[in-house]
Amino acid sequence: GNSVTQMEGPVTLSEEAFLTINCTYTATGYPSLFWYVQYPGEGLQLLLKATKADDKGSNKGFEATYRKETTSFHLEKGSVQVSDSAVYFCALRRMNSGYSTLTFGKGTMLLVSP
Amino acid sequence: GAVVSQHPSRVICKSGTSVKIECRSLDFQATTMFWYRQFPKKSLMLMATSNEGSKATYEQGVEKDKFLINHASLTLSTLTVTSAHPEDSSFYICSARATPGQAMGETQYFGPGTRLLVL
Repeated sequence: GNSVTQMEGPVTLSEEAFLTINCTYTATGYPSLFWYVQYPGEGLQLLLKATKADDKGSNKGFEATYRKETTSFHLEKGSVQVSDSAVYFCALRRMNSGYSTLTFGKGTMLLVSP
Repeated sequence: GAVVSQHPSRVICKSGTSVKIECRSLDFQATTMFWYRQFPKKSLMLMATSNEGSKATYEQGVEKDKFLINHASLTLSTLTVTSAHPEDSSFYICSARATPGQAMGETQYFGPGTRLLVL
């Protein structure tokens, strides 16, 4: 079946450090891939997405490249800020009986200190 | 941007009572809405998918009679937890996907979640 595996957290960084959160997936066909962010006490927000191999999604300084050969979609940011502290979810979108659903990873908490 | 609201944001109830959670798409029509359950330090687990005007499709292991879903209009879906028990305590999140043809495409927009505590 389809699944998403993320690195365990929490990831603790100092401000301006480089961030990588690993995400790998298992899926049939060619899923679309997403990163969602959940700030404390809030719902999930779409951060970025990629719909086909070699696509790069980017937003707010975050980037992720759809790598079909390694079935990965790692999230990166060159210089994190305290305000980036949140839980990040990698997800894939699959088709199921004619409609699409999202499968999420377990989430990775990021804590950025000043 | 697209906004999805949930009400209430948190609710405490006694064991055996029923609780209704509303999910509304505020500025777009949503043919499809999804209900998730989030456990501490765990991922979101899809409970069911509801399409406006038809019965919800439940994921394996989710009790249909316990988690009643109604999607009566293009902007409102409700989840009713019937005869709630302490093990139903969780964070419930809905998301909405726009009706095909609208500008936001297939993106799912998430509500802020509802914290349910059953005593």
